[in-house]
Amino acid sequence: KNEVEQSPQNLTAQEGEFITINCSYSVGISALHWLQQHPGGGIVSLFMLSSGKKKHGRLIATINIQEKHSSLHITASHPRDSAVYICAVRWGSYNTDKLIFGTGTRLQVFP
Amino acid sequence: EPEVTQTPSHQVTQMGQEVILRCVPISNHLYFYWYRQILGQKVEFLVSFYNNEISEKSEIFDDQFSVERPDGSNFTLKIRSTKLEDSAMYFCASRTGVFSGNTIYFGEGSWLTVV
Repeated sequence: KNEVEQSPQNLTAQEGEFITINCSYSVGISALHWLQQHPGGGIVSLFMLSSGKKKHGRLIATINIQEKHSSLHITASHPRDSAVYICAVRWGSYNTDKLIFGTGTRLQVFP
Repeated sequence: EPEVTQTPSHQVTQMGQEVILRCVPISNHLYFYWYRQILGQKVEFLVSFYNNEISEKSEIFDDQFSVERPDGSNFTLKIRSTKLEDSAMYFCASRTGVFSGNTIYFGEGSWLTVV
């Protein structure tokens, strides 16, 4: 069965801490997205990866295609980073472009 | 920053009523999607739409659901006869192309509560 799993489910941190959220998936993909869902419910796309590493500000996303694993890192975390972070994948088959979502990681950063 | 806009942000409807959720995708985008998230659960794919027709749909997207792009800008999701289990946040999304290099943009969502 094609699955996307994230860990941890919940994460609390003190402001300034380095955060890592993990995502693993079961079959080959053509792209992996990291998304942020803020408390109001809206979803914002943070990164889209098919290989390697991307960086935007304090956020870094990496993917290891062989291991079927991706990580999202937040350096110098801040209370405004508190949100649910979701990993979503697009499978490698060319007859589909739907995204399969993980369950999300709820991050709370305290001052 | 371009954005996908959705209306209404929240709708309460009686079971059995028809509901239309509206979306205005980003103007140069060609691929459109509806996803939904039942409270406390994962986001799930409903349907994708390209070139004025459905390109893929999930098992959730049964005969009660329909989509259309009536005027070249709006993209609507209609639920013909709502059930309690249709209560969820519905997200519209769009992208320029289907290749893996194209980012997907989501709207803020429409909360649907069926009572």
